[in-house]
Amino acid sequence: NAGVTQTPKFRILKIGQSMTLQCTQDMNHNYMYWYRQDPGMGLKLIYYSVGAGITDKGEVPNGYNVSRSTTEDFPLRLELAAPSQTSVYFCASSYGGPTYEQYFGPGTRLTVT
Amino acid sequence: AQKITQTQPGMFVQEKEAVTLDCTYDTSDQSYGLFWYKQPSSGEMIFLIYQGSYDEQNATEGRYSLNFQKARKSANLVISASQLGDSAMYFCAMRPLSGGSYIPTFGRGTSLIVHP
Repeated sequence: NAGVTQTPKFRILKIGQSMTLQCTQDMNHNYMYWYRQDPGMGLKLIYYSVGAGITDKGEVPNGYNVSRSTTEDFPLRLELAAPSQTSVYFCASSYGGPTYEQYFGPGTRLTVT
Repeated sequence: AQKITQTQPGMFVQEKEAVTLDCTYDTSDQSYGLFWYKQPSSGEMIFLIYQGSYDEQNATEGRYSLNFQKARKSANLVISASQLGDSAMYFCAMRPLSGGSYIPTFGRGTSLIVHP
């Protein structure tokens, strides 16, 4: 099993550009999440999905969009990148229910200049 | 709403000593899960240990144990016999049962440095 994979690992964007962060999991998890982590801070939830075709906003959704057309994939779209979106982005997946841990991808370090 | 508080931004411990990382939580839920994750300097988040709110016994996983005090709403991580490889950020998290969404809430983390 590859677990949770994310691409790219690093990316530099200019202000106003757009990009998609890819996330794929092969564990048949129904839940998937996107977080951002700013220096010295914990994880802030951007969007999550409880299954294919179902997505919902987290704590900091502005400037981002997601889709979940399959169980495996959960891409995160950044439209009109801003310097405030400079961060490390983590994708995670889990089974539903409060007893299940999350599995995280390796992260994408994004810089917007 | 749930809230996780980790009040220690940084901790230092001597190799082979034990260390306790604090975590308190606030929730109105009666049933929930508590988790600890490790984030080494390489960046990936690694699950360490889980404690259910109805579990009578404190969870243990190798050198990790969770000191769960439900009445005080605390879920402290104890690392015994610290190793240099334990140097990392540690995050406490909670998943509630209510509402059916099971969305985790994370604390801001504690940086642990293990000295030789």
